[in-house]
Amino acid sequence: DGGITQSPKYLFRKEGQNVTLSCEQNLNHDAMYWYRQDPGQGLRLIYYSQIVNDFQKGDIAEGYSVSREKKESFPLTVTSAQKNPTAFYLCASSIGLLNTEAFFGQGTRLTVV
Amino acid sequence: AQSVTQLDSQVPVFEEAPVELRCNYSSSVSVYLFWYVQYPNQGLQLLLKYLSGSTLVKGINGFEAEFNKSQTSFHLRKPSVHISDTAEYFCAVGGSSGSARQLTFGSGTQLTVLP
Repeated sequence: DGGITQSPKYLFRKEGQNVTLSCEQNLNHDAMYWYRQDPGQGLRLIYYSQIVNDFQKGDIAEGYSVSREKKESFPLTVTSAQKNPTAFYLCASSIGLLNTEAFFGQGTRLTVV
Repeated sequence: AQSVTQLDSQVPVFEEAPVELRCNYSSSVSVYLFWYVQYPNQGLQLLLKYLSGSTLVKGINGFEAEFNKSQTSFHLRKPSVHISDTAEYFCAVGGSSGSARQLTFGSGTQLTVLP
């Protein structure tokens, strides 16, 4: 079955450490996205990528980094510069950027301990 | 720039009653509108979408929404809810050109269906 796989589902990180969240899709979609979800704030866009080897900052990119070396993979690194990283992170993909719907993974809950 | 406002953060309703979840948007370009549902600790699932054509859109699980351009609204409705409809619902807007190149989400409405 086609879909988006995020791993791990739960992740714990010590303060000051970088951590990488995985996102893989087998839908052959060009566009991929990372969103952060906090209670009562909806989804906020961190980074997005239209094609391989290209990505753009979203609304809250500070403290995060991404790469897009392969079409099916879009990993997100939460760096130690991110002041409040505890959140639910959602990866999504779509055929294109404009009028197409986005398909979401099951999310990764990151907790800083 | 585009934005989405979901007017109610919490909507409690009794089982088998009708429900309306409200969504207003603003955008400087032609828009595409979506409603997503999220169950606890899961990703988002598309309920329905408006791209063009008929302003009344039917989706999964008996939900429907009406696009009203003059009122810039896209309210979600269901005539009779079930306990299993308890979830968080997100309205989203996508633009057709220029800087509106991604989906912008509202802050969500928690629908709680009471027995």
